[in-house]
Amino acid sequence: SYVLTQPPSVSVAPGKTATITCEGNNIGSKSVHWYQQKPGQAPVVVIYYDADRPSGVPERFSGSNSGNTATLTISRVEAGDEADYHCQVWDSSSDPPLYVFGTGTKVTV
Amino acid sequence: EVQLMETGGGLIQPGGSLRLSCAASGFSVSDVYMNWVRQAPGKGLEWVSVLYRGGSTYYADSVKGRFTISRDNSKNTLYLQMHSLRAEDTAVYYCARAIRYFDNWGQGTLVTVSS
Repeated sequence: SYVLTQPPSVSVAPGKTATITCEGNNIGSKSVHWYQQKPGQAPVVVIYYDADRPSGVPERFSGSNSGNTATLTISRVEAGDEADYHCQVWDSSSDPPLYVFGTGTKVTV
Repeated sequence: EVQLMETGGGLIQPGGSLRLSCAASGFSVSDVYMNWVRQAPGKGLEWVSVLYRGGSTYYADSVKGRFTISRDNSKNTLYLQMHSLRAEDTAVYYCARAIRYFDNWGQGTLVTVSS
């Protein structure tokens, strides 16, 4: 089965840039989606199809995907960005195609 | 406005059964892919099951043969019937709407499997 690996934690100072990686075999050939989850709440999509932002998500959130690594970047980090972040792909190479989540990253501001 | 609301969680003994419900509003569950995703305490997200628009169903290996996903179009509700529950099934269970990514989630319902 397809595996997505994220760093367990990332620490960043307010106003700086947080970079969260999601590693998977040839992940650049798949579409990657990112979710923000605050304590006690359901996940919310912040980036879909590698780099698109839903309405209401600040431009400070951006995504990229190439080779074996997808990246979520949060610029000018604010205290309210402190949360868990999860990457996800739809693994069309499996039979049947299935959804796969990354291991999750806790961002501390 | 799209809304999803899960109910049915609770404390259940190992080997027991439980049925979760997910009431949808703002769209028809029969028109989209509907999923169950769970999160064990302090852990990451784990996809559990999907019900396609056409009726096909798929499951994670960890629940295959024990869980069944279904829907009632007249009630616009998604279900997850869970049998032979194990301690490792303890988690918050979310229903979520998705095609390639999950664009709407319920608030989740906690299932605790313990004697």
